[in-house]
Amino acid sequence: DADVTQTPRNRITKTGKRIMLECSQTKGHDRMYWYRQDPGLGLRLIYYSFDVKDINKGEISDGYSVSRQAQAKFSLSLESAIPNQTALYFCATSAPLSPTGNEQFFGPGTRLTVL
Amino acid sequence: AQTVTQSQPEMSVQEAETVTLSCTYDTSESDYYLFWYKQPPSRQMILVIRQEAYKQQNATENRFSVNFQKAAKSFSLKISDSQLGDAAMYFCAYRGSNSGYALNFGKGTSLLVTP
Repeated sequence: DADVTQTPRNRITKTGKRIMLECSQTKGHDRMYWYRQDPGLGLRLIYYSFDVKDINKGEISDGYSVSRQAQAKFSLSLESAIPNQTALYFCATSAPLSPTGNEQFFGPGTRLTVL
Repeated sequence: AQTVTQSQPEMSVQEAETVTLSCTYDTSESDYYLFWYKQPPSRQMILVIRQEAYKQQNATENRFSVNFQKAAKSFSLKISDSQLGDAAMYFCAYRGSNSGYALNFGKGTSLLVTP
């Protein structure tokens, strides 16, 4: 089983709709991240969370919100989707105090298309 | 904020040959990590190699090695004996102490491997 899972894997929605992307992990890591990938721009940080009570904005948080429901779950919401939010979204985890602390582990990505 | 620059949007290499992908970064930190990630068409983010800034020795993982020049802030990836399966998008990433130890990515280099 994958350590970091994302649902859905693909989603097509319409402008103005609310949509939630979910991320779950079984690695026991405390830190979780949401990134967005656009062609030619690499991955950019949307939000990150140190634990359930600690959530922080990243470089491109406008238009997004997040919820850390538990240590293992970190959801990304688009309250009112717009076409320029069409992108590939990645969830990632890390545990800085662990032996692999300098590494991030990525989910498989969610392809979101906003029409 | 740290910036990561990959100046080669596309590269091509013949099977069994060697290719080098370039990456430069800008930082005022002295302690950080650098990574190369591979993203094949499956879109999964796969860690290829990591380098700790405090280590002078260049990292090596089988056919993959880096040339880390700390003073020049350069971190290139060399792929030896290229294989068809190496064809992918390659991202250089920096991890410092900002933004919850999130990764700052370059825009990527698309590597084509020809028979």
